[in-house]
Amino acid sequence: AQSVTQPDIHITVSEGASLELRCNYSYGATPYLFWYVQSPGQGLQLLLKYFSGDTLVQGIKGFEAEFKRSQSSFNLRKPSVHWSDAAEYFCAVKAAGNKLTFGGGTRVLVKP
Amino acid sequence: SQTIHQWPATLVQPVGSPLSLECTVEGTSNPNLYWYRQAAGRGLQLLFYSVGIGQISSEVPQNLSASRPQDRQFILSSKKLLLSDSGFYLCAWSSDSNQPQHFGDGTRLSIL
Repeated sequence: AQSVTQPDIHITVSEGASLELRCNYSYGATPYLFWYVQSPGQGLQLLLKYFSGDTLVQGIKGFEAEFKRSQSSFNLRKPSVHWSDAAEYFCAVKAAGNKLTFGGGTRVLVKP
Repeated sequence: SQTIHQWPATLVQPVGSPLSLECTVEGTSNPNLYWYRQAAGRGLQLLFYSVGIGQISSEVPQNLSASRPQDRQFILSSKKLLLSDSGFYLCAWSSDSNQPQHFGDGTRLSIL
């Protein structure tokens, strides 16, 4: 069965600094990969997705992610963080069937 | 455009009482529908999904049940709530199993 690991539970970053969130997955083939963001008390919003093709994908709000097959990773990045980026971020993997498997999430705190 | 609605946003219920959470989707036909639970400080757990009217798949044995009486309506129910049913319940839809899932704003359920 597929699994997703987000090694960092919390990350604190200064406003204007770069951000990278790690995601590692376990699956035998190339999965469909997603990043979602969740503000407190809200649902999840899709940031970006990877299905195939170019391994660097662009998403909304200035985020991008890079799929690295050799490392089974799909890390999320943003060059310059804004205070509004403070939220929880979830990586998710879609393998066979209907199931989307989520990582445990990384909470991002932004310092002024 | 497609929208998803969940209600209520917040619910406080006593142990042993029944539960009914409703989710509706607009702007699409025959969506896949999902119910997730998010416990405090944890990731998302898929509870149920449905690929069509009356078709429900359960991912984990539990005190809850789901129904899909209409194409774009998905209901989460319980006959007798347990303390362990507390959490944040999220409904989601996708156009098919390989497409991203889009989430509602969630229902915060507290059991007293």
